[in-house]
Amino acid sequence: KAGVTQTPRYLIKTRGQQVTLSCSPISGHRSVSWYQQTPGQGLQFLFEYFSETQRNKGNFPGRFSGRQFSNSRSEMNVSTLELGDSALYLCASSFTGGANEQYFGPGTRLTVT
Amino acid sequence: DQQVKQNSPSLSVQEGRISILNCDYTNSMFDYFLWYKKYPAEGPTFLISISSIKDKNEDGRFTVFLNKSAKHLSLHIVPSQPGDSAVYFCAASALGQGAQKLVFGQGTRLTINP
Repeated sequence: KAGVTQTPRYLIKTRGQQVTLSCSPISGHRSVSWYQQTPGQGLQFLFEYFSETQRNKGNFPGRFSGRQFSNSRSEMNVSTLELGDSALYLCASSFTGGANEQYFGPGTRLTVT
Repeated sequence: DQQVKQNSPSLSVQEGRISILNCDYTNSMFDYFLWYKKYPAEGPTFLISISSIKDKNEDGRFTVFLNKSAKHLSLHIVPSQPGDSAVYFCAASALGQGAQKLVFGQGTRLTINP
């Protein structure tokens, strides 16, 4: 079974631009969660989608948004990029969204200059 | 407000000895705890978990201990092997408040020396 894939793996953007990251979950998984990883902060939960609906949301500004398609693929969008948005963005998929079932992708490394 | 804390950014252990990674939490609503392991350029991999109804869970060389009164959990790796060198994250969730939202600690970089 193919794992969670994320594209692109690396991205460089300038302040003020917007960016869209993509996540393809494991086949059959309906839940996709997004996390931001920065040095010293660990992984911080952004949001979770299940069957195309946002089911849970972390404490991030409205510049961070996401969506999920009928095939469970998910996209995350960040508008008006700031330098502090530079991070590794990870997505995780699971069948039901249970805590111990989450499988992570390799992440997208975003650098904002 | 860091609800899950790993106060040791790094830990160095000799091969064959025991590695002990620690994690503290503040939210008494957390009732499920997990440890993830992360290698460079890869996503975190689930290692072991424990429910708040237990105080110990064992899986091969890995054992997680939970002390609810102290709001503290630890991961023991015995014996430590060079392949265990990675960053370890502890995470917590409140099953009654959306199990999907994992709250992670900052991570501890474990280095196993030959």
